[in-house]
Amino acid sequence: GAVVSQHPSWVICKSGTSVKIECRSLDFQATTMFWYRQFPKQSLMLMATSNEGSKATYEQGVEKDKFLINHASLTLSTLTVTSAHPEDSSFYICSARDPLGGRQPQHFGDGTRLSIL
Amino acid sequence: ELKVEQNPLFLSMQEGKNYTIYCNYSTTSDRLYWYRQDPGKSLESLFVLLSNGAVKQEGRLMASLDTKARLSTLHITAAVHDLSATYFCAVDGGTSYGKLTFGQGTILTVHP
Repeated sequence: GAVVSQHPSWVICKSGTSVKIECRSLDFQATTMFWYRQFPKQSLMLMATSNEGSKATYEQGVEKDKFLINHASLTLSTLTVTSAHPEDSSFYICSARDPLGGRQPQHFGDGTRLSIL
Repeated sequence: ELKVEQNPLFLSMQEGKNYTIYCNYSTTSDRLYWYRQDPGKSLESLFVLLSNGAVKQEGRLMASLDTKARLSTLHITAAVHDLSATYFCAVDGGTSYGKLTFGQGTILTVHP
């Protein structure tokens, strides 16, 4: 079945560092990918929709200068958390939409746990 | 704006018992999905409900969709400990690119 690979799975870094998270669709071309953020015991909150070859669409309240999204190819989207601070610590999940994927609307990556010290 | 509400948010139940989780949504949609999430893990797809009256069953879980009532249910039969997880429903709001709106999640704990 369709697989979405997310990397890294866990990252711990110092405050002020920029962190890049990769999301790859391994066996299909994804014109649209999604980035979610999840705090402990809460639901997934959509941060942005990433479209190949164009600018990402950010949800209300999400700082686009803080969370940089690049969808440079049909199989790769990246999320960069710039100048990360402890409040950015969270679980980040990407998903990819396979336009030929039939019933499943999105295929989810395994998530990245980001901890900022 | 599409809103999705789950009820209950927390559920502690004994093994062997039955219970139903409800998912209400605010606008017309005929595509609803149920996911399971284990602690520290990403989402696992459970059910895909694509039409009014759809009913799907897998093991001790059964999901249904009533698009007229804008309601989906996830019924647990004879719960076992392995079902302990967080369950999310998500609704496709009808955009061309498949944007999902998630419910708050139901944290299920099954105890002896």
